[in-house]
Amino acid sequence: QVQLVESGGGLVKPGGSLRLSCAASGFTFSDYYMSWIRQAPGKGLEWVSYISSSGSTINYADSVKGRVTISRDNAKNSLYLQMNSLRAEDTAVYYCVSGVNSRWGPDYWGQGTLVTVSS
Amino acid sequence: DVVMTQSPLSLPVTLGQPASISCRSSQSLVHSDGNTHLNWFQQRPGQSPRRLIYKVSNRDSGVPDRFSGSGSGTDFTLKISRVEAEDVGVYYCMQGTHWPRTFGQGTKVEIK
Repeated sequence: QVQLVESGGGLVKPGGSLRLSCAASGFTFSDYYMSWIRQAPGKGLEWVSYISSSGSTINYADSVKGRVTISRDNAKNSLYLQMNSLRAEDTAVYYCVSGVNSRWGPDYWGQGTLVTVSS
Repeated sequence: DVVMTQSPLSLPVTLGQPASISCRSSQSLVHSDGNTHLNWFQQRPGQSPRRLIYKVSNRDSGVPDRFSGSGSGTDFTLKISRVEAEDVGVYYCMQGTHWPRTFGQGTKVEIK
């Protein structure tokens, strides 16, 4: 069955960095787009970043542009999110998601990893 | 960015009764491919979201047929014909026509 397992979350000070990883299994990773979607505590969903199946197309939300970098390794069935210059407002559960067509939203969701930015 | 506005934000429902959630977008969601990319997600307490409906009215595999989606242009609706206990959670609409993809604020469905 499909599995998306995030790791790398934790407590970090404002201005710090964190690298999130997502290990995928149960589907042909290289055929699917991948994204990160976040959810602040008690809040709604925000699409953070998108990377196409080949990695050739990348998008970022304005709220994180210039501070985060999404990447993927199709040989390792893995997705990454490098987060720099973290702010308190980046505190959220970060979900790794995948799908066939981003216009339809994610087909699959991970369980999420919590990132807390606090001094 | 396209703003997605849901109403109501809280929806107490009696078991077995219908429920309806509205979602309005600040721009038309008709894509150049001819499709309207409005999707609905359900997030049960303590769980990750899952998609229920894509392209306005197409139910995902395994989604009960008591869930239905409708609408066009900028005005959309998710209906639950008879609410069951397992339907408790937060429902989000999401537009996939424009970048960045955006979600509604969420509608919390609870049992009266």
